[in-house]
Amino acid sequence: DAGITQSPRHKVTETGTPVTLRCHQTENHRYMYWYRQDPGHGLRLIHYSYGVKDTDKGEVSDGYSVSRSKTEDFLLTLESATSSQTSVYFCAISDTTGRNTIYFGEGSWLTVV
Amino acid sequence: AQTVTQSQPEMSVQEAETVTLSCTYDTSESDYYLFWYKQPPSRQMILVIRQEAYKQQNATENRFSVNFQKAAKSFSLKISDSQLGDAAMYFCAYTHMNNNAGNMLTFGGGTRLMVKP
Repeated sequence: DAGITQSPRHKVTETGTPVTLRCHQTENHRYMYWYRQDPGHGLRLIHYSYGVKDTDKGEVSDGYSVSRSKTEDFLLTLESATSSQTSVYFCAISDTTGRNTIYFGEGSWLTVV
Repeated sequence: AQTVTQSQPEMSVQEAETVTLSCTYDTSESDYYLFWYKQPPSRQMILVIRQEAYKQQNATENRFSVNFQKAAKSFSLKISDSQLGDAAMYFCAYTHMNNNAGNMLTFGGGTRLMVKP
């Protein structure tokens, strides 16, 4: 299994509060991604990173920001959480060498009440 | 933009029988990869099988095989000798290589597979 750790795994927070989810990898892969999963939508890309301090928006980036100050860490921040951001969040990593395999973390369950 | 469509929200199969899950996609690219992921109730994303678009031969992994029709932009998953442990959500996904986003995936909406004993 790829070394990907997401934290926290479960969180309940109140509307309007800031929340940060962390993705940590031990594979030294260049690319990191944050997805959210909602019923009927599969997984949708929020933001991605193609190197330290290099990030870009995905399909559903509104209300989210990211940072990557080290190769191994990719942070997803909800500046002011809303109920529509209640979801399961997945981190993924990949490297374009070899078989271009994509590995997923175990997911972070976020509930905004 | 690329899109991936799974037209079967739910499927069921009898244990030991064969089932096929459908997936179609839309892209203007010629070089890309397609995947099937399995997601059990634990929500872990498990790679089942992958297909490189430049390969004409359909990928096979034990009981799992695909029917890749590039011209039709179709990518179906066949599960043979279905087992109770195959019950899960299955997602079809697409990625186009050679850009800053690396392996950015586009997913279909998923198919829930139920296996009847």
